[in-house]
Amino acid sequence: NAGVTQTPKFQVLKTGQSMTLQCAQDMNHEYMSWYRQDPGMGLRLIHYSVGAGITDQGEVPNGYNVSRSTTEDFPLRLLSAAPSQTSVYFCASRALTEAFFGQGTRLTVV
Amino acid sequence: DQQVKQNSPSLSVQEGRISILNCDYTNSMFDYFLWYKKYPAEGPTFLISISSIKDKNEDGRFTVFLNKSAKHLSLHIVPSQPGDSAVYFCAASADFGNEKLTFGTGTRLTIIP
Repeated sequence: NAGVTQTPKFQVLKTGQSMTLQCAQDMNHEYMSWYRQDPGMGLRLIHYSVGAGITDQGEVPNGYNVSRSTTEDFPLRLLSAAPSQTSVYFCASRALTEAFFGQGTRLTVV
Repeated sequence: DQQVKQNSPSLSVQEGRISILNCDYTNSMFDYFLWYKKYPAEGPTFLISISSIKDKNEDGRFTVFLNKSAKHLSLHIVPSQPGDSAVYFCAASADFGNEKLTFGTGTRLTIIP
């Protein structure tokens, strides 16, 4: 009964480094998405996918890449980390009526 | 441009009383609304939703009211319990099942024993 699993839970990066945040779901949901949460900003949509092989940009896509090769996995790649990407990142998969969220990845870019 | 607004960053309510959390939206294309609850160091969890064809939806202690003409929704929690202390986000989407959820900034609810 895992639901949505995100790894890692915490990460510190140096400016300019790249990394991939992993997200996996076991509910066979077609829709998956990535959000970032910043103080006073709520959750903002970065990228989303409506099925394997299909991705699209959300509200704040710059500096991030995604791919969806399987229904289960939806990794988020930071190409060249910047301090402005310090945030808490949430992956979600969505059934028709509601989104299920992972526990989040707290990323600090120094 | 914040399309979904929660103007109260925090709210304190006595245990057993009613908690009312408010949310306003500006995009008239939004027709499906959700409330999420978030504890520290956890992801948001779904609480309750409402479609624009309704003006009220109830689930146990939680009721959501929608006023389409005012572009306003509210979440009522009765009676409030200490475990309700959390941050509450409202979210909206255009079309039921649309992947793109727009979230408000959240209201931190504290229930005072």
